[in-house]
Amino acid sequence: AQSVTQPDIHITVSEGASLELRCNYSYGATPYLFWYVQSPGQGLQLLLKYFSGDTLVQGIKGFEAEFKRSQSSFNLRKPSVHWSDAAEYFCASVGSSASKIIFGSGTRLSIRP
Amino acid sequence: ETGVTQSPTHLIKTRGQQVTLRCSSQSGHNTVSWYQQALGQGPQFIFQYYREEENGRGNFPPRFSGLQFPNYSSELNVNALELDDSALYLCASSLEVRVPSGYTFGSGTRLTVV
Repeated sequence: AQSVTQPDIHITVSEGASLELRCNYSYGATPYLFWYVQSPGQGLQLLLKYFSGDTLVQGIKGFEAEFKRSQSSFNLRKPSVHWSDAAEYFCASVGSSASKIIFGSGTRLSIRP
Repeated sequence: ETGVTQSPTHLIKTRGQQVTLRCSSQSGHNTVSWYQQALGQGPQFIFQYYREEENGRGNFPPRFSGLQFPNYSSELNVNALELDDSALYLCASSLEVRVPSGYTFGSGTRLTVV
């Protein structure tokens, strides 16, 4: 069955440090992949998406992600985090039916002052 | 361009009751999906509506039902509420169903069942 795995439940980084959030997917063909961010009590905001083409995708708020087919990964990166980046981050893919998004369990990001 | 609007924002219901949640799609979007997000978990797909017809359903019992109206707004109905139905319910709209040009999520309805 198709799945998305985020192996890190909680990550804490210092403000100004670099960030990498891991995501692995399970799907036979090339999937559509997304990263969403959710602040407490809020809905989901799309950070970036990958459909095809260039494997390095730029998103909003200075985030980027790299699709690596050989590793079935789509890790999210940011060179320098800000306190406002503290939130829950979800990796997601579109299922084979193309009608539903499959989400990972999320990674909570805390920022150390 | 308006985003996705959900109402109400918060709701408290008693076990066994019925509830209706509402969603207004982003302008021009004809596809609406509903997700349930339990505390500390990722969203789980409930179902999707495309041009007023159900177009896919997740692993949820029949007491979860929906509607999509000609203006593409949508309702999620849950009958015989159980304590485990307590969650954030998210609505997402998109331009088309087969080519996911992007899903826009609402801020959700927080349902508490007591």
